[in-house]
Amino acid sequence: DAGVTQSPTHLIKTRGQQVTLRCSPKSGHDTVSWYQQALGQGPQFIFQYYEEEERQRGNFPDRFSGHQFPNYSSELNVNALLLGDSALYLCASSFDRAQGYTFGSGTRLTVV
Amino acid sequence: RKEVEQDPGPFNVPEGATVAFNCTYSNSASQSFFWYRQDCRKEPKLLMSVYSSGNEDGRFTAQLNRASQYISLLIRDSKLSDSATYLCVVNVESSYKLIFGSGTRLLVRP
Repeated sequence: DAGVTQSPTHLIKTRGQQVTLRCSPKSGHDTVSWYQQALGQGPQFIFQYYEEEERQRGNFPDRFSGHQFPNYSSELNVNALLLGDSALYLCASSFDRAQGYTFGSGTRLTVV
Repeated sequence: RKEVEQDPGPFNVPEGATVAFNCTYSNSASQSFFWYRQDCRKEPKLLMSVYSSGNEDGRFTAQLNRASQYISLLIRDSKLSDSATYLCVVNVESSYKLIFGSGTRLLVRP
């Protein structure tokens, strides 16, 4: 049973560019959340998708957007990249939030 | 004030030691509580949920004190493989986001 898969694993982009990160949730999970984890910090909630809609959003600017597809997979898009966007981007999926979330291994984004 | 606060450590303990981590949360509407483990440059993995009555999973025991808004994790008979960062995580009622502490780093030495 595949867990949460994310692609790519690593990415280097230049300031001002745009990036798209992808996530396939664990089998049986219908909810996908995205988190940003800076070095030495805990993950910070970006947003959550359920039934192809953004259900909740954290304190991130509009440069961060997303999408969920009918098969529950999801994309995270970041426009006009800043150096401060360099981080590990984690996707987490769930079916019942009381049972916790399963995280993917993340995409490490470096903005130069 | 951070929503979830943890001592960053590191806690440096010998194999076989017992070690305890504490965590406090600020929102009294918090309803679900978890401990996650994160190895260096890896994703967080759910270690255990934390229930009001306290719960145990092998060498790991979690406690919740709602009145003091305090969560703890006790690790008995530490193994070298327990070396990791332990993240205290809270979910607030009517919210879907997980709120993470910055983590407590544990180093278990031979």
